[in-house]
Amino acid sequence: DTEVTQTPKHLVMGMTNKKSLKCEQHMGHRAMYWYKQKAKKPPELMFVYSYEKLSINESVPSRFSPECPNSSLLNLHLHALQPEDSALYLCASSQGWGAIRWQYFGPGTRLTVL
Amino acid sequence: AQSVTQLDSHVSVSEGTPVLLRCNYSSSYSPSLFWYVQHPNKGLQLLLKYTSAATLVKGINGFEAEFKKSETSFHLTKPSAHMSDAAEYFCVVSVSNSGYSTLTFGKGTMLLVSP
Repeated sequence: DTEVTQTPKHLVMGMTNKKSLKCEQHMGHRAMYWYKQKAKKPPELMFVYSYEKLSINESVPSRFSPECPNSSLLNLHLHALQPEDSALYLCASSQGWGAIRWQYFGPGTRLTVL
Repeated sequence: AQSVTQLDSHVSVSEGTPVLLRCNYSSSYSPSLFWYVQHPNKGLQLLLKYTSAATLVKGINGFEAEFKKSETSFHLTKPSAHMSDAAEYFCVVSVSNSGYSTLTFGKGTMLLVSP
């Protein structure tokens, strides 16, 4: 199984809502990533978890809160978002060891903030 | 530091003609290079990867890429385009850190295929 799944596929939320994005993989990968992708741009890294510990936070606003409950799951909690946060949110995973580690991407969650 | 330059933002071809998407890279280390494809409103799919085993790399759906160290290039080719190849293509340099990897993306090339 080389699949990364993400739920929901689409999410519309108001600026006062609280919602969560979920990502799951069963490849035994120990590194998991959140990216944000705006239209016609490459993905931008937000967070990296390695062995369930936060390794990278790319100066992301605190209204985005990541969580890694176990080695297969990655969540992104959203609160008080702004319209400019509307984007495609991609989750990825990779091995945590080895010289070459490509990342497997999920299909993404299309987020619209009203 | 790593960087990737995709030389064309858009490439237009006719169905059945060859495809060439150009990529140049800069890396302080012996690079790991990938091509990813993204169809509209979809996630990124790994097309092929260079891992120093062979300079000509074969990927899925008939795509190939050749690693040329002297030219610092990793161009993507396909002999005959299909309509289903229309998508955004990203050239990527990867660096392995302790416990994870860091990807540096090019700006992407949109491949347009006309009948």
